[in-house]
Amino acid sequence: DAKTTQPNSMESNEEEPVHLPCNHSTISGTDYIHWYRQLPSQGPEYVIHGLTSNVNNRMASLAIAEDRKSSTLILHRATLRDAAVYYCILRDLNSGGSNYKLTFGKGTLLTVNP
Amino acid sequence: NAGVTQTPKFQVLKTGQSMTLQCAQDMNHNSMYWYRQDPGMGLRLIYYSASEGTTDKGEVPNGYNVSRLNKREFSLRLESAAPSQTSVYFCASSSKPGQANSPLHFGNGTRLTVT
Repeated sequence: DAKTTQPNSMESNEEEPVHLPCNHSTISGTDYIHWYRQLPSQGPEYVIHGLTSNVNNRMASLAIAEDRKSSTLILHRATLRDAAVYYCILRDLNSGGSNYKLTFGKGTLLTVNP
Repeated sequence: NAGVTQTPKFQVLKTGQSMTLQCAQDMNHNSMYWYRQDPGMGLRLIYYSASEGTTDKGEVPNGYNVSRLNKREFSLRLESAAPSQTSVYFCASSSKPGQANSPLHFGNGTRLTVT
């Protein structure tokens, strides 16, 4: 999988929007961009994924740059329950067997202040 | 609908002891995975099972064995535990084998300490 780069940590205030960036300058045309988050003492949780177009779901929005070399996960109104480690991951549509070897890096630790 | 269930939640072993970590999913998913998570290391894939009847090595398979008992269950066995295997173990599943747009669903982990 192509490499992603995320800030180690970010801080936000409750009820404010949060923009979590991810750089993936070596992304290929068939890489999906996935986001997961991990709350304290829990397993990772799927948040959202996209290929080229921006995506919205009940949890978040994913904004993908036009050249696809970066993306941003947007939490529209952060709550204390959004405090977690957020992982940005690329998965190649054409990797076949290697697609199973999904690798999670260190992610971004989001702190939400009341 | 429980999702992915892991047992036990906590375990303490002495060096050389063996144990099996259990994982079951009720989502009728084809693929299942075992990861370990160590401080500062992210998650690393130990073994995976693309579909019932198949298993394959991940990034860090040494010291572990797996069994895909049926479509629902995927167990991880430590034959002779070592302190280096102290970690948090996560089981995951996904519906479409090898599909880049198929999310993984994780259990809440087994916290293993080997003394």
